[in-house]
Amino acid sequence: AQSVTQLGSHVSVSEGALVLLRCNYSSSVPPYLFWYVQYPNQGLQLLLKYTTGATLVKGINGFEAEFKKSETSFHLTKPSAHMSDAAEYFCAVRKAAGNKLTFGGGTRVLVKP
Amino acid sequence: GAGVSQSPSNKVTEKGKDVELRCDPISGHTALYWYRQRLGQGLEFLIYFQGNSAPDKSGLPSDRFSAERTGESVSTLTIQRTQQEDSAVYLCASSLDGGAGSHEQYFGPGTRLTVT
Repeated sequence: AQSVTQLGSHVSVSEGALVLLRCNYSSSVPPYLFWYVQYPNQGLQLLLKYTTGATLVKGINGFEAEFKKSETSFHLTKPSAHMSDAAEYFCAVRKAAGNKLTFGGGTRVLVKP
Repeated sequence: GAGVSQSPSNKVTEKGKDVELRCDPISGHTALYWYRQRLGQGLEFLIYFQGNSAPDKSGLPSDRFSAERTGESVSTLTIQRTQQEDSAVYLCASSLDGGAGSHEQYFGPGTRLTVT
């Protein structure tokens, strides 16, 4: 069975500072990996995904993530936080031949001015 | 184009009552998913529809939960005899297909269910 662990349910960063959200997964086979963002009272929006190929993936809004197979990690980063980045972020995995997503518990990001 | 829509956006019901939640997927998307998001937690998979194939019901938590989908359009999630632990946001998602070639699921805004 697959599982996803997001370290830290809440993260507080200052505007302009680095955003780092951690995601580790367990899977018996190499999975597809995703980061979603959820703004208040909205559905989830895909930030970026890793399927195959280059392990450093760039997404929307200046976010990027790196797949590290040896560490079973897919951490999300953004060099400089903006107030609009305040939201909840979810890491998810899916088997390459599968369909359903398995989500982590989410990390809520607060951006301080 | 229009995204995934869900109705109602909020539903308050008394314990023991039945509720129906509706999802309209993006036109042309053959795959449809239901997830549940309890307060402060990640999303839990409930059920998956792909075309005319038998649905994957492996995530349904009990036999009080059921879902239907008419062709490749609207889906309804029904919860019978609701319990307080059913209180959550129910999210629907759709994708072009559910096969290995399809990667992105598009999510609706969710229905917030409160059981009193």
